[in-house]
Amino acid sequence: GAGVSQSPSNKVTEKGKDVELRCDPISGHTALYWYRQSLGQGLEFLIYFQGNSAPDKSGLPSDRFSAERTGGSVSTLTIQRTQQEDSAVYLCASSPKYPVGTSGGRSSYNEQFFGPGTRLTVL
Amino acid sequence: ELKVEQNPLFLSMQEGKNYTIYCNYSTTSDRLYWYRQDPGKSLESLFVLLSNGAVKQEGRLMASLDTKARLSTLHITAAVHDLSATYFCAVDMAGNQFYFGTGTSLTVIP
Repeated sequence: GAGVSQSPSNKVTEKGKDVELRCDPISGHTALYWYRQSLGQGLEFLIYFQGNSAPDKSGLPSDRFSAERTGGSVSTLTIQRTQQEDSAVYLCASSPKYPVGTSGGRSSYNEQFFGPGTRLTVL
Repeated sequence: ELKVEQNPLFLSMQEGKNYTIYCNYSTTSDRLYWYRQDPGKSLESLFVLLSNGAVKQEGRLMASLDTKARLSTLHITAAVHDLSATYFCAVDMAGNQFYFGTGTSLTVIP
């Protein structure tokens, strides 16, 4: 079945430009998460959506970063006036907010499913 | 803020050997996840542990959770090259945010 998709897969931009990253979650998943992963590092939480609202924006690194989600589905992460330190892989994940039963012995309760990521390079 | 620590950060082991990766976290949670990431790829869910004493096994990997010790382990049995990847644990705080560990980069040497 269709998983989480992200676009573009790669984005090269010049310092100071704005970029938009897109995430299409798994159909029916109400929760959506954005993370940032710098080279060789772990995952840094950015923002979380439940439906179209973002109860937790605490991870956004600066006011240059913003995100929205429409129709409880697609989300866009916008970075304004990009800086070189913004270069990273941006990962999106979606999850069913409530338990949906088990499959093969693995509970799917609140499990996150990740997209392939967008690799952003700021020159 | 919840802190999640993994050790070791880097692990090089020979095929056929056993080893354990540790994941410690700093506050109460009964939901712990393990993910695998291959180079240049996204994260793949391996295990979901939802209660104290939970144990899950798949192939050569076995994960366990001790919520009282705030510790999860990922045990590798008779490692094979295909297991080479980076492994992350993550702790779920009421489903609003996942806190990820630093990752353990595993290399299995033939």
